[in-house]
Amino acid sequence: DAKTTQPPSMDCAEGRAANLPCNHSTISGNEYVYWYRQIHSQGPQYIIHGLKNNETNEMASLIITEDRKSSTLILPHATLRDTAVYYCIAGNTGGFKTIFGAGTRLFVKA
Amino acid sequence: EAQVTQNPRYLITVTGKKLTVTCSQNMNHEYMSWYRQDPGLGLRQIYYSMNVEVTDKGDVPEGYKVSRKEKRNFPLILESPSPNQTSLYFCASSPPGLAGVRSTDTQYFGPGTRLTVL
Repeated sequence: DAKTTQPPSMDCAEGRAANLPCNHSTISGNEYVYWYRQIHSQGPQYIIHGLKNNETNEMASLIITEDRKSSTLILPHATLRDTAVYYCIAGNTGGFKTIFGAGTRLFVKA
Repeated sequence: EAQVTQNPRYLITVTGKKLTVTCSQNMNHEYMSWYRQDPGLGLRQIYYSMNVEVTDKGDVPEGYKVSRKEKRNFPLILESPSPNQTSLYFCASSPPGLAGVRSTDTQYFGPGTRLTVL
């Protein structure tokens, strides 16, 4: 898995978009970008993943730069329940060695 | 309901007393993993398994054993627990990818087991 770099913490106002950046400059051509989140001490929860193209699902959007060296997770209308630690992983997380970094602690404030 | 279950959810034990944390998934997933999570250190992989009878070490395997005799179960065994194994433990499973290709599918995590070793 490629190394990822994320800011340690971010704030966002409730109802506004939360944009969480991730740098993965050493990502290889066949490695995906995954985002998980962990609310308090619950098990991490999958959010979204992508290879080259931007992706959107019911939870979030993923924007990957053309050179694939960085990406942004977008929560379009953050709520208080989105307060969590968000992990960006560059690799293939199908059960092989998976490296979770420190993640970004997102605080959504009323 | 598709899920990963762990038991027990909470356990307080003493140094040296063997214990097993069970993990079971009902999604027929080939891949399963164990992680531990400690403050300031994030999630670290202990062991993973690619299928029945196939296991390999993660980043922090010392002091742990695993077995995979059935597809659905992946127990974590601490033969002689020590206080430095006090942690929050997560089991995860994921489906396989195409033959010979690492899976691009996601991992599904259990609710966690909080272990305290005195």
